[in-house]
Amino acid sequence: QVQLVESGGGLVKPGGSLRLSCAASGFTFSDDYMIWVRQAPGKGLEWISYISSSGSTKYYADSVKGRFTISRDNAKNSLYLQMSSLRAEDTAVYYCARVNILTGYQIFDYWGQGTLITVSS
Amino acid sequence: DIQMTQSPSSLSASVGDRVTITCRASQSISTYLNWYQQRPGKAPKLLIFGASSLQSGVPSRFSGSGSGTDFTLTISSLQPEDFATYYCQQSYSTPLYSFGQGTKLEIK
Repeated sequence: QVQLVESGGGLVKPGGSLRLSCAASGFTFSDDYMIWVRQAPGKGLEWISYISSSGSTKYYADSVKGRFTISRDNAKNSLYLQMSSLRAEDTAVYYCARVNILTGYQIFDYWGQGTLITVSS
Repeated sequence: DIQMTQSPSSLSASVGDRVTITCRASQSISTYLNWYQQRPGKAPKLLIFGASSLQSGVPSRFSGSGSGTDFTLTISSLQPEDFATYYCQQSYSTPLYSFGQGTKLEIK
């Protein structure tokens, strides 16, 4: 079955860096687009980054552009999010999710369990 | 950027009630609208895609409608497991996706 497992979360100081990983299994990872979505404590969902199946195309929300970098290693079935210049407002649970296409509609059909990033001194 | 606005932000209802949640897009998104359910401490779960298509395995008491800028999610008869937060999400301006702010459905 499809599984997405995030890792790499934790406590980091403002201005610091962190790298999240998302290990994928149960599907052909190299065929699918992937995204990162975050959720600040008690808040809603925020899409933050997208990567194409080959890794050649990447997009970012304005809130993280220039500070976060999405990447993937299709040989390792893994997705990454390199986060730098972290701010208190980046404190959130970070989810990876698969983008699937159903009858022409893009959907997020599988999600990881999430990993918590806390930015605090 | 396309902004998604849900109403209400929270809602109290009883088991067996019929509930409707509304989502409005800041510009026309045709039927590129998905609905997700999120229970506390869990990842979101896809309920409806393409504004009105039920995701496999989702109970038929959930339904969606709308096109253009106005959309609704309806739960025909609330069950205890339906008390959760619901999000709409547009996939019109892919891959610059956006979510509504969420509607928290609570037990009355």
